[in-house]
Amino acid sequence: DTGVSQDPRHKITKRGQNVTFRCDPISEHNRLYWYRQTLGQGPEFLTYFQNEAQLEKSRLLSDRFSAERPKGSFSTLEIQRTEQGDSAMYLCASSLEWSSPLHFGNGTRLTVT
Amino acid sequence: EDKVVQSPLSLVVHEGDTVTLNCSYEVTNFRSLLWYKQEKKAPTFLFMLTSSGIEKKSGRLSSILDKKELFSILNITATQTGDSAVYLCAVHPSGNTPLVFGKGTRLSVIA
Repeated sequence: DTGVSQDPRHKITKRGQNVTFRCDPISEHNRLYWYRQTLGQGPEFLTYFQNEAQLEKSRLLSDRFSAERPKGSFSTLEIQRTEQGDSAMYLCASSLEWSSPLHFGNGTRLTVT
Repeated sequence: EDKVVQSPLSLVVHEGDTVTLNCSYEVTNFRSLLWYKQEKKAPTFLFMLTSSGIEKKSGRLSSILDKKELFSILNITATQTGDSAVYLCAVHPSGNTPLVFGKGTRLSVIA
């Protein structure tokens, strides 16, 4: 079990730039989730996929955010025209079934200057 | 709106103490409640509870759910410095709604 891996671990970018993060889930897991966590808060749901289909998106996910999972394996989360308020830890998780516990990656910490 | 409230938000104890962390929730159509431990990085799964009154136990950690009163507790006995972490409670409603997390309880265990 190699676990959920995320890349990069840290990203510092200037306001207005675009950034893309990658998540590789546990191989047999067909559900993949993106969450965002800021200091002192619990993770907040952004979006999730079942295989390649994006089934749910949070109201937190503005038009500047887009996520894909093109072949039902890895996923990418892109943020366009970053703002300082986008600074956060972006966590990816996967699960075997809808009712199964989520297994989280170590996250990508984004800092927008 | 689905809501999970954890208390206390932070706690400092000495090694060897026993602690109880609380989690209350309001969700439509409850499916399960989960506890996670988060040190510096990824939240790691501890327990999943679906039925009232059945204690889940792993070493010095245990947890129980009360579906009538809509809360759960996480107990840690004989605390060690390695227990220092943020403990997250999350609830899984039925349907397509994913996990809803509380803000967490930051536990600090001092020697």
